[in-house]
Amino acid sequence: QSALTQPASVSGSPGQSITISCTGTSSDVGGYNYVSWYQHHPGKAPKLMIYEVSNRPSGVSNRFSGSKSGNTASLTISGLQAEDEADYHCSSFTMTRSLDVVFGGGTRLTVL
Amino acid sequence: EVQLVESGGGLVQPGGSLRLSCVASGFTFSSYWMSWVRQAPGKGLEWVANIKQDGSERYYVDSVKGRFSISRDNAKNSLYLQMTGLRAGDTAVYYCARRHTVATDYWGQGTLVTVSS
Repeated sequence: QSALTQPASVSGSPGQSITISCTGTSSDVGGYNYVSWYQHHPGKAPKLMIYEVSNRPSGVSNRFSGSKSGNTASLTISGLQAEDEADYHCSSFTMTRSLDVVFGGGTRLTVL
Repeated sequence: EVQLVESGGGLVQPGGSLRLSCVASGFTFSSYWMSWVRQAPGKGLEWVANIKQDGSERYYVDSVKGRFSISRDNAKNSLYLQMTGLRAGDTAVYYCARRHTVATDYWGQGTLVTVSS
């Protein structure tokens, strides 16, 4: 059981927008602005898409955006493209464990 | 171009040992915290261990404490994970990752560890 809760799957049609949620507690997501999102195509290296809640690394499309409200962080992908179909994982800083970062269980995005 | 290439995975019996390696290139390896992260079949990602730039600080997830040891050789741009007392629950793809503040900005493609008799 993962520390952060994500929906198992979401789907959308090309051109649409989707949002993936990541729910934690005040000890992780709600307590710090250190939420990250990763895109993972099976068999490939995961890719950092968002860090510190809403920052995009260089080279990441501006179709990807992050936000946070209370204990829930969100990743929004606008203008869905076929290549966006992948697994998305959130992570957050935490002070409650021996390692300082916890992950969500991952969300499979299907582009219809 | 930043590259992280893992090796050393394979099939091992319960109770056995394995040593994973990760060779880094394209950046100043000695300037970054490094991590091992794993993904069990059908499960989410799980942080396994972190190591400071000079190796002076190491942290582990509770489930591997006392069994796994993370280390690095900055002269060889290499990161290691020595795994002993392996259990079926350790079966996963293990990723080497470069730590950037609280995120990891680069990952390898992973190496599969299967613990089974």
